[in-house]
Amino acid sequence: DGGITQSPKYLFRKEGQNVTLSCEQNLNHDAMYWYRQDPGQGLRLIYYSQIVNDFQKGDIAEGYSVSREKKESFPLTVTSAQKNPTAFYLCASSIRSGGAADTQYFGPGTRLTVL
Amino acid sequence: GQQVMQIPQYQHVQEGEDFTTYCNSSTTLSNIQWYKQRPGGHPVFLIQLVKSGEVKKQKRLTFQFGEAKKNSSLHITATQTTDVGTYFCAGGLGYQLIWGAGTKLIIKP
Repeated sequence: DGGITQSPKYLFRKEGQNVTLSCEQNLNHDAMYWYRQDPGQGLRLIYYSQIVNDFQKGDIAEGYSVSREKKESFPLTVTSAQKNPTAFYLCASSIRSGGAADTQYFGPGTRLTVL
Repeated sequence: GQQVMQIPQYQHVQEGEDFTTYCNSSTTLSNIQWYKQRPGGHPVFLIQLVKSGEVKKQKRLTFQFGEAKKNSSLHITATQTTDVGTYFCAGGLGYQLIWGAGTKLIIKP
Protein backbone atom coordinates (compact mmCIF):
# COMPACT_ATOMS: atom_id res chain seq x y z
CA ASP A 1 0.00 0.00 0.00
CA GLY A 2 1.84 3.10 -1.24
CA GLY A 3 1.83 6.41 0.55
CA ILE A 4 3.39 8.72 3.06
CA THR A 5 3.42 7.98 6.74
CA GLN A 6 4.06 10.39 9.56
CA SER A 7 4.46 9.44 13.15
CA PRO A 8 3.31 10.05 15.72
CA LYS A 9 -0.10 11.62 15.03
CA TYR A 10 0.00 13.60 18.28
CA LEU A 11 3.16 14.63 20.13
CA PHE A 12 3.60 16.47 23.39
CA ARG A 13 6.90 17.90 24.54
CA LYS A 14 8.18 20.16 27.25
CA GLU A 15 9.51 23.56 26.34
CA GLY A 16 13.25 23.51 25.64
CA GLN A 17 13.35 19.94 24.34
CA ASN A 18 14.27 19.02 20.79
CA VAL A 19 11.83 16.71 19.04
CA THR A 20 12.09 14.77 15.78
CA LEU A 21 9.10 14.13 13.53
CA SER A 22 9.19 11.15 11.23
CA CYS A 23 8.22 11.13 7.54
CA GLU A 24 8.53 8.04 5.33
CA GLN A 25 7.34 7.49 1.75
CA ASN A 26 7.28 4.41 -0.45
CA LEU A 27 6.17 6.21 -3.62
CA ASN A 28 9.72 6.35 -4.99
CA HIS A 29 9.44 10.14 -5.12
CA ASP A 30 12.60 12.23 -5.38
CA ALA A 31 11.33 15.39 -3.70
CA MET A 32 10.09 15.77 -0.13
CA TYR A 33 8.78 18.76 1.80
CA TRP A 34 7.93 19.88 5.31
CA TYR A 35 5.17 22.40 5.96
CA ARG A 36 3.85 24.03 9.08
CA GLN A 37 0.17 24.89 9.46
CA ASP A 38 -1.20 27.03 12.28
CA PRO A 39 -4.92 27.01 13.16
CA GLY A 40 -6.99 28.59 10.40
CA GLN A 41 -3.88 29.36 8.36
CA GLY A 42 -2.34 28.17 5.13
CA LEU A 43 0.78 26.09 4.56
CA ARG A 44 4.22 27.53 5.18
CA LEU A 45 7.27 25.76 3.76
CA ILE A 46 9.96 24.86 6.30
CA TYR A 47 12.45 22.78 4.27
CA TYR A 48 12.47 20.83 1.05
CA SER A 49 14.71 18.26 -0.56
CA GLN A 50 14.86 17.48 -4.26
CA ILE A 51 17.36 14.64 -3.99
CA VAL A 52 19.10 12.49 -1.41
CA ASN A 53 21.79 14.27 0.64
CA ASP A 54 20.56 17.69 -0.45
CA PHE A 55 17.98 20.05 1.05
CA GLN A 56 17.10 23.75 1.01
CA LYS A 57 15.54 26.14 3.47
CA GLY A 58 11.98 27.24 2.91
CA ASP A 59 10.29 30.38 4.16
CA ILE A 60 10.41 29.58 7.89
CA ALA A 61 13.47 27.35 8.44
CA GLU A 62 14.74 29.05 11.60
CA GLY A 63 14.60 26.71 14.59
CA TYR A 64 14.24 23.60 12.44
CA SER A 65 16.66 21.09 10.94
CA VAL A 66 16.32 18.18 8.51
CA SER A 67 18.33 15.36 6.98
CA ARG A 68 17.88 13.33 3.80
CA GLU A 69 20.13 10.30 4.07
CA LYS A 70 17.68 7.98 2.32
CA LYS A 71 15.26 8.59 -0.51
CA GLU A 72 12.36 7.28 1.57
CA SER A 73 12.94 9.32 4.71
CA PHE A 74 12.96 13.04 5.54
CA PRO A 75 12.87 13.58 9.32
CA LEU A 76 12.31 17.05 10.78
CA THR A 77 13.81 18.15 14.08
CA VAL A 78 12.11 20.97 15.93
CA THR A 79 14.81 22.49 18.09
CA SER A 80 14.55 24.50 21.27
CA ALA A 81 15.44 27.57 19.19
CA GLN A 82 12.01 27.49 17.55
CA LYS A 83 10.09 30.12 19.52
CA ASN A 84 6.56 28.90 18.94
CA PRO A 85 6.69 25.22 17.88
CA THR A 86 3.09 24.23 18.65
CA ALA A 87 1.51 23.57 15.24
CA PHE A 88 0.34 20.96 12.74
CA TYR A 89 3.29 19.62 10.72
CA LEU A 90 2.71 18.17 7.26
CA CYS A 91 5.17 16.18 5.18
CA ALA A 92 4.70 15.85 1.42
CA SER A 93 6.46 14.28 -1.53
CA SER A 94 6.44 14.71 -5.29
CA ILE A 95 7.91 12.82 -8.19
CA ARG A 96 10.11 15.67 -9.49
CA SER A 97 9.62 15.05 -13.17
CA GLY A 98 12.02 17.83 -14.11
CA GLY A 99 9.37 20.06 -15.61
CA ALA A 100 6.84 22.29 -13.93
CA ALA A 101 5.97 21.93 -10.26
CA ASP A 102 4.61 18.47 -9.57
CA THR A 103 1.60 17.30 -7.61
CA GLN A 104 2.37 16.93 -3.92
CA TYR A 105 1.11 14.01 -1.87
CA PHE A 106 0.69 14.62 1.83
CA GLY A 107 1.04 12.48 4.90
CA PRO A 108 -1.60 12.59 7.65
CA GLY A 109 0.40 15.11 9.68
CA THR A 110 1.72 15.37 13.24
CA ARG A 111 0.15 17.71 15.77
CA LEU A 112 2.91 18.96 18.04
CA THR A 113 2.04 20.61 21.34
CA VAL A 114 4.78 22.12 23.45
CA LEU A 115 3.80 22.49 27.07
CA GLY B 1 9.14 36.25 -2.11
CA GLN B 2 6.57 35.26 -4.71
CA GLN B 3 3.00 35.14 -3.49
CA VAL B 4 -0.31 33.73 -4.59
CA MET B 5 -3.20 35.67 -3.11
CA GLN B 6 -6.38 33.72 -2.43
CA ILE B 7 -9.77 35.19 -1.51
CA PRO B 8 -12.01 35.09 0.38
CA GLN B 9 -10.55 33.67 3.58
CA TYR B 10 -13.93 32.24 4.60
CA GLN B 11 -17.23 31.76 2.83
CA HIS B 12 -20.43 30.84 4.65
CA VAL B 13 -23.13 29.37 2.42
CA GLN B 14 -26.47 27.65 2.85
CA GLU B 15 -26.45 24.09 1.61
CA GLY B 16 -27.42 24.22 -2.04
CA GLU B 17 -25.85 27.62 -2.69
CA ASP B 18 -22.79 28.09 -4.88
CA PHE B 19 -19.23 28.73 -3.68
CA THR B 20 -16.31 30.39 -5.45
CA THR B 21 -12.69 30.98 -4.46
CA TYR B 22 -10.17 33.03 -6.44
CA CYS B 23 -6.39 33.00 -6.71
CA ASN B 24 -4.16 35.65 -8.19
CA SER B 25 -0.43 35.79 -8.83
CA SER B 26 1.70 38.76 -9.86
CA THR B 27 3.89 36.34 -11.83
CA THR B 28 2.99 34.05 -14.72
CA LEU B 29 2.59 30.53 -13.44
CA SER B 30 3.60 27.30 -15.16
CA ASN B 31 0.56 25.56 -13.73
CA ILE B 32 -2.04 25.87 -10.99
CA GLN B 33 -3.05 23.07 -8.68
CA TRP B 34 -6.03 22.83 -6.35
CA TYR B 35 -6.18 20.91 -3.09
CA LYS B 36 -8.88 20.24 -0.51
CA GLN B 37 -8.26 19.84 3.20
CA ARG B 38 -11.10 18.41 5.26
CA PRO B 39 -11.33 19.54 8.91
CA GLY B 40 -8.62 17.76 10.88
CA GLY B 41 -7.17 16.21 7.74
CA HIS B 42 -4.38 16.82 5.27
CA PRO B 43 -4.47 18.49 1.83
CA VAL B 44 -5.55 16.20 -0.98
CA PHE B 45 -4.86 16.96 -4.64
CA LEU B 46 -7.95 17.76 -6.72
CA ILE B 47 -6.73 18.90 -10.13
CA GLN B 48 -3.99 20.59 -12.14
CA LEU B 49 -4.45 23.18 -14.90
CA VAL B 50 -1.61 23.88 -17.29
CA LYS B 51 -2.89 25.65 -20.40
CA SER B 52 -3.86 29.28 -20.77
CA GLY B 53 -7.65 29.67 -20.50
CA GLU B 54 -8.11 26.04 -19.48
CA VAL B 55 -11.39 24.97 -17.88
CA LYS B 56 -11.90 21.60 -16.23
CA LYS B 57 -14.90 20.11 -14.48
CA GLN B 58 -15.26 17.47 -11.82
CA LYS B 59 -18.95 16.86 -11.23
CA ARG B 60 -20.12 20.05 -9.44
CA LEU B 61 -16.64 21.61 -9.36
CA THR B 62 -15.40 23.89 -12.16
CA PHE B 63 -11.78 25.01 -12.30
CA GLN B 64 -10.49 27.81 -14.51
CA PHE B 65 -7.00 29.06 -15.39
CA GLY B 66 -6.77 32.59 -16.70
CA GLU B 67 -5.60 33.56 -20.15
CA ALA B 68 -2.46 35.19 -18.75
CA LYS B 69 -1.82 32.20 -16.44
CA LYS B 70 -1.83 34.52 -13.44
CA ASN B 71 -5.22 33.78 -11.93
CA SER B 72 -7.50 30.86 -11.30
CA SER B 73 -10.86 30.09 -9.76
CA LEU B 74 -12.76 27.16 -8.30
CA HIS B 75 -16.54 27.21 -8.42
CA ILE B 76 -18.75 24.68 -6.66
CA THR B 77 -22.37 24.47 -7.76
CA ALA B 78 -25.07 23.56 -5.25
CA THR B 79 -22.82 22.90 -2.26
CA GLN B 80 -23.32 19.81 -0.12
CA THR B 81 -22.16 19.03 3.41
CA THR B 82 -19.42 16.83 1.94
CA ASP B 83 -17.87 19.95 0.36
CA VAL B 84 -16.96 21.41 3.76
CA GLY B 85 -13.24 22.07 4.16
CA THR B 86 -10.51 24.43 3.08
CA TYR B 87 -9.63 24.78 -0.58
CA PHE B 88 -6.08 25.75 -1.48
CA CYS B 89 -4.64 26.85 -4.78
CA ALA B 90 -0.94 26.36 -5.42
CA GLY B 91 0.86 28.02 -8.31
CA GLY B 92 3.80 26.42 -10.02
CA LEU B 93 6.95 28.53 -10.31
CA GLY B 94 9.87 26.47 -11.54
CA TYR B 95 10.02 23.36 -9.40
CA GLN B 96 8.20 24.97 -6.52
CA LEU B 97 4.57 25.34 -5.57
CA ILE B 98 3.56 28.69 -4.10
CA TRP B 99 0.53 28.15 -1.88
CA GLY B 100 -2.45 30.41 -1.43
CA ALA B 101 -3.74 30.92 2.11
CA GLY B 102 -6.88 28.86 1.44
CA THR B 103 -10.61 29.53 1.49
CA LYS B 104 -12.65 27.80 4.15
CA LEU B 105 -16.10 26.66 3.02
CA ILE B 106 -18.59 26.67 5.88
CA ILE B 107 -22.13 25.38 5.51
CA LYS B 108 -24.60 27.35 7.62
CA PRO B 109 -26.71 25.16 9.93
